[in-house]
Amino acid sequence: AQSVTQLGSHVSVSEGALVLLRCNYSSSVPPYLFWYVQYPNQGLQLLLKYTSAATLVKGINGFEAEFKKSETSFHLTKPSAHMSDAAEYFCAVSENSGYALNFGKGTSLLVTP
Amino acid sequence: DVKVTQSSRYLVKRTGEKVFLECVQDMDHENMFWYRQDPGLGLRLIYFSYDVKMKEKGDIPEGYSVSREKKERFSLILESASTNQTSMYLCASSLGGTRLWFFGPGTRLTVL
Repeated sequence: AQSVTQLGSHVSVSEGALVLLRCNYSSSVPPYLFWYVQYPNQGLQLLLKYTSAATLVKGINGFEAEFKKSETSFHLTKPSAHMSDAAEYFCAVSENSGYALNFGKGTSLLVTP
Repeated sequence: DVKVTQSSRYLVKRTGEKVFLECVQDMDHENMFWYRQDPGLGLRLIYFSYDVKMKEKGDIPEGYSVSREKKERFSLILESASTNQTSMYLCASSLGGTRLWFFGPGTRLTVL
């Protein structure tokens, strides 16, 4: 089964600094990869998804992620953190069947002034 | 817009009670899912359904059952609630083949 591993359960950055959230996947076939965000007391929102069309994927709110097959990675980045980016971020991979999403354990992003 | 709604945002139950969590989607999606979310563990799949009356176990089905009598509704049942089932429960739906999942707001269940 496909799986993802998120490195770092908590990440803290200063406002204006680069955001880098790490995700590595395990898949025997080209995966479909996703990043979701969950703001406090809210549901999950799709940030972006990789479907093999392009290795650099742009999402909402200035986030982007790059698919690197050689490193089996799909790290999420944002050039300049904003206070409103503070949230829980989840990397996920779709099973081959396309039915279910398998999630990583999440990374909590803290943005300090 | 696709809407996935869950019957309660917060629920408090006693150990041993039978608990029903309801989820309804309004976009005629074939697939529906139940996840539980716990700090440090992410989201884990409990059960999913790819058609009416069809169900498949996910990664952590023990202690849970599901029911899907109508396409738009997917119920999660805790036959005898236990304290270790205190969690946030998220429902999701998807249209087959699209690889687009839509999530409900979640139900925070506390079992005392």
